[in-house]
Amino acid sequence: DAGITQSPRYKITETGRQVTLMCHQTWSHSYMFWYRQDLGHGLRLIYYSAAADITDKGEVPDGYVVSRSKTENFPLTLESATRSQTSVYFCASSEFDRGPRFFGPGTRLTVL
Amino acid sequence: SQQGEEDPQALSIQEGENATMNCSYKTSINNLQWYRQNSGRGLVHLILIRSNEREKHSGRLRVTLDTSKKSSSLLITASRAADTASYFCATDLVSSGSARQLTFGSGTQLTVLP
Repeated sequence: DAGITQSPRYKITETGRQVTLMCHQTWSHSYMFWYRQDLGHGLRLIYYSAAADITDKGEVPDGYVVSRSKTENFPLTLESATRSQTSVYFCASSEFDRGPRFFGPGTRLTVL
Repeated sequence: SQQGEEDPQALSIQEGENATMNCSYKTSINNLQWYRQNSGRGLVHLILIRSNEREKHSGRLRVTLDTSKKSSSLLITASRAADTASYFCATDLVSSGSARQLTFGSGTQLTVLP
């Protein structure tokens, strides 16, 4: 009954490596989202998904890949990490497309 | 570009005082949402107000919406030290046909001093 969880909570990686951030929700919400939060930019949408196997780009999708084979999981992959991808990443879910977002605790990613 | 912008960027008040934060936006919205973020945590949804609503309450929170001025305000009454957090407004654009356009502002950092 944890709601929405993210793993890992902290990750340090090197430039060029592939990294996958996991997101899991227990509410069976149709909509899931990935945001990044950076000082001076607020929250920016990376990708979102309206249902299993349906994904779409957000504001800043370059360098990221998502998949959603199951309703409850929405992993985010950085195919070849760059320093500019150092950020805090938040996963969120929502029952309705225009409804409240429920956020996970975040993953702090550092790319060296 | 930011759709919703909060003002002020930072606010420091004494415990027991009221805190008011404002959000301005540029284009027509379906709804406007307020969120709170404690340091090192995820955002927590506070209130959603639809474009045809003018005021909503939730406990010590009061949100107003003035669509003619394209602005909203969040009032926290009788503030407590536990209210110390960043507060964000998020706007859902009429022009968007999808969920992607819930756009977050940069937030107001509220500090409540004991």
